[in-house]
Amino acid sequence: KNQVEQSPQSLIILEGKNCTLQCNYTVSPFSNLRWYKQDTGRGPVSLTIMTFSENTKSNGRYTATLDADTKQSSLHITASQLSDSASYICVVSAGTAGNKLTFGGGTRVLVKP
Amino acid sequence: ETGVTQSPTHLIKTRGQQVTLRCSSQSGHNTVSWYQQALGQGPQFIFQYYREEENGRGNFPPRFSGLQFPNYSSELNVNALELDDSALYLCASSWVTSSNTGELFFGEGSRLTVL
Repeated sequence: KNQVEQSPQSLIILEGKNCTLQCNYTVSPFSNLRWYKQDTGRGPVSLTIMTFSENTKSNGRYTATLDADTKQSSLHITASQLSDSASYICVVSAGTAGNKLTFGGGTRVLVKP
Repeated sequence: ETGVTQSPTHLIKTRGQQVTLRCSSQSGHNTVSWYQQALGQGPQFIFQYYREEENGRGNFPPRFSGLQFPNYSSELNVNALELDDSALYLCASSWVTSSNTGELFFGEGSRLTVL
């Protein structure tokens, strides 16, 4: 069964600090891995998409890594800001159809001043 | 701004009623998918439409149905509402070809409360 597990479920960090979120998956076949940011009550917004051949991708202060051998990904947030408070969702794709996407449960990040 | 708009943003229904949620896709996108997101959970795939045909469905009963129109806008219909149907319903549009990743652009969602 395809699964995506994220950890931690939630974390609290101080403004200006860095943090790393983890995503482990057992999706096959693998097409790509996506990270989304979702503010409370809003729709998810894409941060990065990585295919099998990419092992790191950045979007501003967000850097995602992918290890396709161990089936792990991480999302690193540098110099956190209050606006980074959100849920971060890891999604692994086995194709382009919606039923080929497996969503993780998300990590809820709270940045405190 | 993803260019995907959903309506209504919030609504309240009672058990047994029917609801229709609407989604306007980003211009040029040929695929729309719908997701149910319970509080504190990740989105769950309901179904996807490609060129007005359903081409994928998640583990949802037949009382969840949908339509995609020639202008690629879409509807999600839910009949015989149950309390557990209370959730944020997300629509996402994408441009799908055999060679691209099909990046999803989500709307802001419709928050449904069933009493």
